[in-house]
Amino acid sequence: DGGITQSPKYLFRKEGQNVTLSCEQNLNHDAMYWYRQDPGQGLRLIYYSQIVNDFQKGDIAEGYSVSREKKESFPLTVTSAQKNPTAFYLCASTLVAAGNTEAFFGQGTRLTVV
Amino acid sequence: GIQVEQSPPDLILQEGANSTLRCNFSDSVNNLQWFHQNPWGQLINLFYIPSGTKQNGRLSATTVATERYSLLYISSSQTTDSGVYFCAVSGSARQLTFGSGTQLTVLP
Repeated sequence: DGGITQSPKYLFRKEGQNVTLSCEQNLNHDAMYWYRQDPGQGLRLIYYSQIVNDFQKGDIAEGYSVSREKKESFPLTVTSAQKNPTAFYLCASTLVAAGNTEAFFGQGTRLTVV
Repeated sequence: GIQVEQSPPDLILQEGANSTLRCNFSDSVNNLQWFHQNPWGQLINLFYIPSGTKQNGRLSATTVATERYSLLYISSSQTTDSGVYFCAVSGSARQLTFGSGTQLTVLP
């Protein structure tokens, strides 16, 4: 079954700790994205990567870091510098080649700082 | 960047009614998608529709790219249609910009 897998579904973190969210895809997509959603709001772009070993900041990158060592994987680290990390995090992927650029999303990770 | 506006922000319907959701965007786009976010937060792909008209069962969508808007039609609504509907677009860059969504509530 092709798709995007995010883990864990729920994550609790103490203030001052870094935490890493996993995103894996087997769609053979080139580009991967991380979005953040706060209650009652739309999605905002954190980071994206169009090719292995390369990534760019989105609109709200401060306090986050990413890596793209493999085409299939794009983990997101929420660092202690992120002031309001409690949110719902969604990972997505698309093809990069011209034509259909439809995005597909994982099921999300709910992060709560306690 | 591209601005995306969705209307109405909230919509309450009786089961069986029809509805139209609108998405306006500020620049030309290469991609436009409609999503339904279910109560568990998952985004369900409804339509990939940068232009033209598509239909899938009770749902259909039309994008008029030259006038920078898209419409999502829901006919004979059911309680399971409740949730948030998002429009998202991308231009020359691949990353999607989302609207604020329409919260749809279908009453039995």
